[in-house]
Amino acid sequence: DTGVSQDPRHKITKRGQNVTFRCDPISEHNRLYWYRQTLGQGPEFLTYFQNEAQLEKSRLLSDRFSAERPKGSFSTLEIQRTEQGDSAMYLCASSLSYRSGANVLTFGAGSRLTVL
Amino acid sequence: KQEVTQIPAALSVPEGENLVLNCSFTDSAIYNLQWFRQDPGKGLTSLLLIQSSQREQTSGRLNASLDKSSGRSTLYIAASQPGDSATYLCAVTAALASSGSARQLTFGSGTQLTVLP
Repeated sequence: DTGVSQDPRHKITKRGQNVTFRCDPISEHNRLYWYRQTLGQGPEFLTYFQNEAQLEKSRLLSDRFSAERPKGSFSTLEIQRTEQGDSAMYLCASSLSYRSGANVLTFGAGSRLTVL
Repeated sequence: KQEVTQIPAALSVPEGENLVLNCSFTDSAIYNLQWFRQDPGKGLTSLLLIQSSQREQTSGRLNASLDKSSGRSTLYIAASQPGDSATYLCAVTAALASSGSARQLTFGSGTQLTVLP
């Protein structure tokens, strides 16, 4: 599979529980991004890795959210003590950086979170 | 802060019509602009990418234009088909100098297109 894979595709949880999403990027891509998309809105940037380094975090990423990319390959996004407002589609994307700065992202199918 | 607006929010057309989707952005200092397609409950598929130095890109029945100075882009779909029904999202990548990061996309809310058979 040469695309970006996300797991699980759908997670239903009760408020207060912890959830973790996994993203497997395209193997040769060194950049990995997490976005959140709520119904009827465009995706919003959460965080970005270059290799294993987390270089940027949005203010949307509260202290209940943590993302890791330990070996510069797959990434996990954990949400602790989930709230109903966390219900959204969590999208992962990856890209290969070029000297020219061209940066074409390939998105995964997303992980939909429903918090009851 | 960059803001991206897409008009209309929803559009319904009969099959065969040519149509135009609009995107505007507030900060003209962009690195590139992309159009994406999103099917219900699915991820995003990149359709076209226009670098800031370019004025248009074409792929099949799709043509995207960019007027950076006025902060506008259009996506033209020729001879629409029911299979074109989806949400179309516009996204800009800010130029490094103005935003401090060239690595995130700012999306509009999308235009939900329905092509009726």
